[in-house]
Amino acid sequence: DIQMTQSPSSLSASVGDRVTITCRASQSISSHLNWYQQKPGEAPKVLIYAASSLQSGVPSRFSGSGSGTDFTLTISSLQPEDFATYYCQQSYSTPTWTFGQGTKVEIK
Amino acid sequence: QVQLVQSGAEVKKPGASVKVSCKASGYTFTKYGISWVRQAPGQGLEWMGWVSGSHGSTNYAQKVQDRVSMTTDTSTSTAYMELRSLTSDDTAVYYCARAVVIMSYYYMDVWGKGTTVTVSS
Repeated sequence: DIQMTQSPSSLSASVGDRVTITCRASQSISSHLNWYQQKPGEAPKVLIYAASSLQSGVPSRFSGSGSGTDFTLTISSLQPEDFATYYCQQSYSTPTWTFGQGTKVEIK
Repeated sequence: QVQLVQSGAEVKKPGASVKVSCKASGYTFTKYGISWVRQAPGQGLEWMGWVSGSHGSTNYAQKVQDRVSMTTDTSTSTAYMELRSLTSDDTAVYYCARAVVIMSYYYMDVWGKGTTVTVSS
């Protein structure tokens, strides 16, 4: 199975900060990488698919980059509603998928 | 609008089975697959498996493949996930999600609200 490793596991940031979360795959997954946001008590929501494509309705402050094994989710200017946990997920080995362990973004 | 409505919370004893339903609306059920994802209390997301909306083919995560069955009923646009031989480790929120593909890239774009399954003696 393809393993996904996110870093950091958690971070503290202030409103307006630029935030970067990294996801590394145990083997090359081309651009088959998605990012989800989950708030407490809610279902996950897709932000980015195919490594860098913004899902419809998602604010443009979210962006994704990378290919192969190393990927990044960037929030250009953190907003109060962005405090949540973020997960990467590979879909290269469709239909067997795996998630990263998550990155919790907290208020500083 | 596209939505997935899941069945209600369940409490089961160890060794029992649970069957969770996921009723789709707002789209053609047979054009998309359904994935199942679970989340234990305070833990991350765990992908469990996938079932085709059109022909019922499946693929399961190794961790649960001996105990899980995912099926569909196209007449009611409903997907089901049955998990057998439950233990306390299966206590979790279970989500269904629509699997969409765009230019060979798969992702989960619509999610149910989740079904809480508690396993306790």
